[in-house]
Amino acid sequence: EVQLVESGGGLIHPGGSLRLSCSASGFNVSSKFMSWVRQAPGKGLEWVSVIHISGDRFYADAVKGRFTISRDNSVNTLYLQMSSLRVEDTALYYCARAYTQNYDDFDIWGPGTMVTVSS
Amino acid sequence: QSALTQPRSVSGSPGQSVTISCTGTSSDLGHYNSVSWYQQHPGKAPKLIIYAITERPSGVPDRFSGSKSGSAASLTISGLQADDEADYYCCAFAGIFTRVFGTGTKVTVL
Repeated sequence: EVQLVESGGGLIHPGGSLRLSCSASGFNVSSKFMSWVRQAPGKGLEWVSVIHISGDRFYADAVKGRFTISRDNSVNTLYLQMSSLRVEDTALYYCARAYTQNYDDFDIWGPGTMVTVSS
Repeated sequence: QSALTQPRSVSGSPGQSVTISCTGTSSDLGHYNSVSWYQQHPGKAPKLIIYAITERPSGVPDRFSGSKSGSAASLTISGLQADDEADYYCCAFAGIFTRVFGTGTKVTVL
C-alpha cells in the first residue's frame, strides 16, 4: 500500500529546532517530487517546501533560510529540519507526494504531525 | 507568494451545482497553465480531486470539473451531495519553483 507517515512533531520554544520525518511505503521518495505542506489551527493550507527528483530544493519565502528539506533514500524517508522556530510556525505539518512534475497536484498525503511553538 | 483568493463560503441544496473561484495574478495563475483542487473534510488530510486544470484522478466522480481563464480558475461541483460538504482549496504555481494554495472555501450543503 502506498502511504506516508509523519513523525517528530511536538512542543518547542521560540528559537528552537525540530526535525520532522516522513516515512514512505509502496514507492520510492527518490522517484517523486516530495513536498511539505502545513496548516495552522483553523487556517488554510500553506505550501512549505519541495525536493525535486534531481535533489534540488525550494522553499516558501516564509521559511527560506530556516527550514531544510532532505531525503534519505536508504530508509525511504523525507525530512524537514526546522530551526529558528517562530510562534507562527505552529501548524499541522503534512508530507505529500506529487502526482506529476508540476508538483501542485499531491495525490498521497500523510496524516500530519503537529508542531506547536510556544513559550 | 500571496495566497490565491477564494470565496470564504458557498452553499447549495442537494442536486444543485456550485462553483468555487480561485483568483490569482499575472505572476501566478495568469502565467502558468496548471492548477489543482483539493477537498478536505474536518480532521482529515486533503484529497486531490482535480489536477492539470481539468483532469480527475481515478475514483473522483465526474460531478467535479475544473476550468481556467487568465488569472482565475474555477471548480464546479454538480449534483451536490451531502458528502461534498467540506473545505476546498486550489493550488497553483507561485513561480517556476514554488507553489501556493488558495485561501480555502467552505462548501455547505443546505
